[in-house]
Amino acid sequence: LAKTTQPISMDSYEGQEVNITCSHNNIATNDYITWYQQFPSQGPRFIIQGYKTKVTNEVASLFIPADRKSSTLSLPRVSLSDTAVYYCLVEGTNAGKSTFGDGTTLTVKP
Amino acid sequence: DVKVTQSSRYLVKRTGEKVFLECVQDMDHENMFWYRQDPGLGLRLIYFSYDVKMKEKGDIPEGYSVSREKKERFSLILESASTNQTSMYLCASSLRTSGTYEQYFGPGTRLTVT
Repeated sequence: LAKTTQPISMDSYEGQEVNITCSHNNIATNDYITWYQQFPSQGPRFIIQGYKTKVTNEVASLFIPADRKSSTLSLPRVSLSDTAVYYCLVEGTNAGKSTFGDGTTLTVKP
Repeated sequence: DVKVTQSSRYLVKRTGEKVFLECVQDMDHENMFWYRQDPGLGLRLIYFSYDVKMKEKGDIPEGYSVSREKKERFSLILESASTNQTSMYLCASSLRTSGTYEQYFGPGTRLTVT
């Protein structure tokens, strides 16, 4: 199973950039890296997905080095509403063979 | 928008009861998943289905079974509920198309077994 490792928790302040790194040493050639956000009492929701180098959308950027054994989610100028748990998942054509890690609890302070 | 619905948000059952958790998705997704989420343990995969009548065990299948008779519906069954199955249960679905592996999650069912 492609297991991921993330920091358990991170603290930040409003307006700062937050970078959360995920390790996935067993990533396979066909796997993509996906990040999810989860608020209390809700299901996780998709933030961003990438295969290599850099991907950017309206809410985040995803940086993936050439060896693809890690990835970094970057949240620009966080606000209090970004307080949530963030999960990194490696998934591909072998769906169901990847595992969510324990997630990173991000706390944004005023 | 993709919609994944779960039959109940909250459910209370007694030990030994047979429990059915239903999940329905409306986007013709091939893959469907059942996870449970407990404090400090993240999301753990119970079962996965990639097509009608097809299923594969995840990380923690013991005490659970699943049924997928129609593409849009994936049921999780607790044959004889126990207190250690008290948890949040999350259903998800996704496409099998290469390059689009995003999982869409339902709101979750918080099950309490007394």
